[in-house]
Formats: sequence, C-alpha cells, structure tokens
Amino acid sequence: EIVVTQSPLSLPVTPGEPASISCRSSQSLLHRNGYNYLDWYLQKPGQSPQLLIYLGSSRASGVPDRFSGSASGTDFTLKISKVEAEDVGIYYCMQAIQTPFTFGPGTKVEIK
Amino acid sequence: EVHLGQSGGGVVQPGGSLRLSCAASGFAFSDYWMQWFRQAPGKGLVWVSRINSDGTDTIYADSVRGRFTVSRDNAKNTVYLQMSNLRVEDTAVYFCVRDRGDYNWNYDGFDYWGQGTLVTVSS
Repeated sequence: EIVVTQSPLSLPVTPGEPASISCRSSQSLLHRNGYNYLDWYLQKPGQSPQLLIYLGSSRASGVPDRFSGSASGTDFTLKISKVEAEDVGIYYCMQAIQTPFTFGPGTKVEIK
Repeated sequence: EVHLGQSGGGVVQPGGSLRLSCAASGFAFSDYWMQWFRQAPGKGLVWVSRINSDGTDTIYADSVRGRFTVSRDNAKNTVYLQMSNLRVEDTAVYFCVRDRGDYNWNYDGFDYWGQGTLVTVSS
C-alpha cells in the first residue's frame, strides 16, 4: 500500500495571501504514460469532497485558476495564489495509481 | 446536471447487513466506473471499492473484502454496496463517486461525489 503524507496538517491563512500544501508519496506515482496519478480534493465543512486537481497538475472543471498543482518526483504541491474566504476546509491529496487508493491525512485550512 | 443521490444508511447492530444505493442522473451512467469511499466520524477519507462500467470487474479494500459486495444496474442507473457482517469499525459516512477511468489509464479524477450516507454500527 502506498503511504501518502501531507504537511502542514493545519494552515492558518490570510485572505489575499498565497498558501501552499505539500504531499509526499512512498512510491512513484508516475505512470509510463508520463502522468502522475495524484489528485487534490477539498472537503468544505459539512460537504462531500470536491475535486480540485487531477493527474498532478490538471485543474478540474470549474475550479478557479488560483489553484495549481505541481510535481517533483514523489513530492507534490498544491498552491493557492490568493486565498479567499471560501477556500477554508480540509485539503486531501490522494494517489490514484494503484488500489487501494490512499489519501494523505488532510490539511485543515482556516482563516487567521 | 450530474447528480448522485444516495440512500440506505442507518443504524445496524454488529453482524447485521445493510444495502446502500446510489442513483445517478445527468450523465451516461453505463459509460462510467463507480467508486465507494467512506469517512469515519472526524477522520479522513478511505477507499472502499470500485466497479467497472458493465459490472463485470470489482475490487475491494482488504478491510471489507468478503463482507461487502458492489454491484450495479445500468438499466436503473444505480450502483449498490451490499454490506454484511458489519463491524463497529465500519461506522462511517459512505460516498459513491463517479470515475471516468478505464483500462487504458484515461483518468479525469473523481469528479462527482454523492451527498454521503451515514452507517452506524452499534449495539
């Protein structure tokens, strides 16, 4: 089973400022097709998770362009260029290259 | 508009059974794989099971294999999760999720999630 870790686990943010969350996998998520099978999801309070980023850096439909994802080996980063109040919630990264799909522990983003 | 409407949760005693349903609308259901995830109260997300588009191929997490069965009825646009021999540790909100994946590694992420249904296993 692939282990996925995240940091930080808690992230106080200031609206208008940038924010960054890191994710690391215990094994490569790079498929021979050149894609990293790593997703980012946001679970807002009381809601189901919503897809933000798939394949490491592809933004899902309807996701604002202030969200971006990147990869370097087994290290992945989600960046929010300018945090908005509606971005609060728990952010999870998830590896999708092999079952069981596994998630990081989550990063709780809240407004300072 | 894509919608996944879940039903079937509730309270059940250890050793009991429950069937969850997930009715899909707004897309060509028979073209999509479907996934089940769960989230214990206050905890993170855990993958449970996957079924392919025609229902002929299923996989399960080790923790539920042999106790849970995923199935689908493409005529009714519905996917099911039959849970038996339930344990206290199965207590969670269960989510059905759409998956455009296929055997050629085409993948768009898990883009639509049901509203979740709470299963409580308690004596």
